[in-house]
Amino acid sequence: SYELTQPPSVSVALGQTARVSCGGKNIGGRNVHWYQQKPGQAPVLVIYRDDNRPSGIPGRFSGSDSGNTAILTISRAQAEDEAVYYCQVWESSNYVFGPGTTVTVL
Amino acid sequence: QVHLVQSGAEVKKPGASVTVSCKVSGTTLTRSSMHWVRQVPGKGLEWVGGFEPEDDETVYAPNFKGRVTMTEDTSTDTAYMEMRRLISEDTAMYYCAIRLLGQWFDSWGQGTLVIVSS
Repeated sequence: SYELTQPPSVSVALGQTARVSCGGKNIGGRNVHWYQQKPGQAPVLVIYRDDNRPSGIPGRFSGSDSGNTAILTISRAQAEDEAVYYCQVWESSNYVFGPGTTVTVL
Repeated sequence: QVHLVQSGAEVKKPGASVTVSCKVSGTTLTRSSMHWVRQVPGKGLEWVGGFEPEDDETVYAPNFKGRVTMTEDTSTDTAYMEMRRLISEDTAMYYCAIRLLGQWFDSWGQGTLVIVSS
C-alpha cells in the first residue's frame, strides 16, 4: 500500500516562511491535497490538486510537488496558522493520509 | 456553502454497533460523494470508506471491510455510517467528509466521538 511520510514538527518565526514536506514514491505524478487541523476542530482543506487554494484560504498558503516530495508553503506565517497539517493522495480507490506535521509559530 | 452536521457523541459497550449520521446542506448527496474518516485521540486521520463515483459504488478501506456499512437517504440528504462488533480500539472521532469536485475532501462535519468501553 502507498505510504506518505511527514516530519513530526516544524517551527517558524512569526512572519517568516514555513515549509511542510510530504514524501511518497513518485508523489510528483500524483495530485496532493493538504488539510489544516486546529485543536478540537475538524480538518479544513487548504490546498487541493497540488497548488490550488479553496475559496477563503489566504494567499499565503501554497503547494508544490516534484519527484518524491510535495511541499506545503506558508508564507508570512501568522499565529493562527499554528495547527497540524496533513497531506493526502488518492491511490487505487484508497484515500491515504500522511501522519501529520505540527506547525508551531514562534 | 456546504455544511455537514453530525449526530452526537455515543458510548457503546464492546461488541455493540453504532450508527453515526451526517446531514448535508448547501448541496445534495446526489451531486456529491460522502466519505467517512476517523481519528483516534491524539493520532492522525484514517479513511474508513465512501462512495466512489468513478466506480459507482461504496468502497471501504481494507481495515473496515465487513464491519462497516455506509448508506444514504437522498430524500433528507443524510448519510449514515454503521460500525459493528465494536472494540475499544474503535474509540475515536468519526468525521463525515464530502467530495465535490475530485479526490479530496472539500468540507467536513464537526465530528462524532464514539467511545467504546465496558
